[in-house]
Amino acid sequence: KQEVTQIPAALSVPEGENLVLNCSFTDSAIYNLQWFRQDPGKGLTSLLLIQSSQREQTSGRLNASLDKSSGRSTLYIAASQPGDSATYLCASRSYNTDKLIFGTGTRLQVFP
Amino acid sequence: KAGVTQTPRYLIKTRGQQVTLSCSPISGHRSVSWYQQTPGQGLQFLFEYFSETQRNKGNFPGRFSGRQFSNSRSEMNVSTLELGDSALYLCASRTDPNEKLFFGSGTQLSVL
Repeated sequence: KQEVTQIPAALSVPEGENLVLNCSFTDSAIYNLQWFRQDPGKGLTSLLLIQSSQREQTSGRLNASLDKSSGRSTLYIAASQPGDSATYLCASRSYNTDKLIFGTGTRLQVFP
Repeated sequence: KAGVTQTPRYLIKTRGQQVTLSCSPISGHRSVSWYQQTPGQGLQFLFEYFSETQRNKGNFPGRFSGRQFSNSRSEMNVSTLELGDSALYLCASRTDPNEKLFFGSGTQLSVL
């Protein structure tokens, strides 16, 4: 059974810092891994999708990496801004179940 | 291009009633999936439909059901509502398994 864990659960940093959010998954036979952002009371916004054959993806100040052998993905946020404050979720889709399993999320607060 | 549309945005029901939630995917997306989000359990997969066929199902009781129409629009039904069914119900669409998931804003269901 695929389990996805995110560390830390919450993070509060001053504006301008570079951040690393961690995501661990137990089933290494993954199809892809996706990072999302969720603002309070709203749906999820897709940030980055990494296919199993890829090692990383970049979009603006965001960079996500994938290491299947260790069962880990990281989301790197450069030069954080108050507008980055949200909950960040990772989700993996495994070949075994073809279901998208979400992590517990990291609640990020960036203060001015 | 319009995003994923979910209606209604908010619902208040009482125990024992039933409810139907609606989701219109992004134009051209044939896959629609449903998720339940609660503070205690996080985001959990309910089911996925592709071209009117249920292709995957999560671990929820039979009170939770869904369907997809020929225009890819989907509905989710919950019968005999329980207090524990109070949650944010999210719908997502995609073109195929290799592509990103796009989420709607969700339906917030409160069961009294």
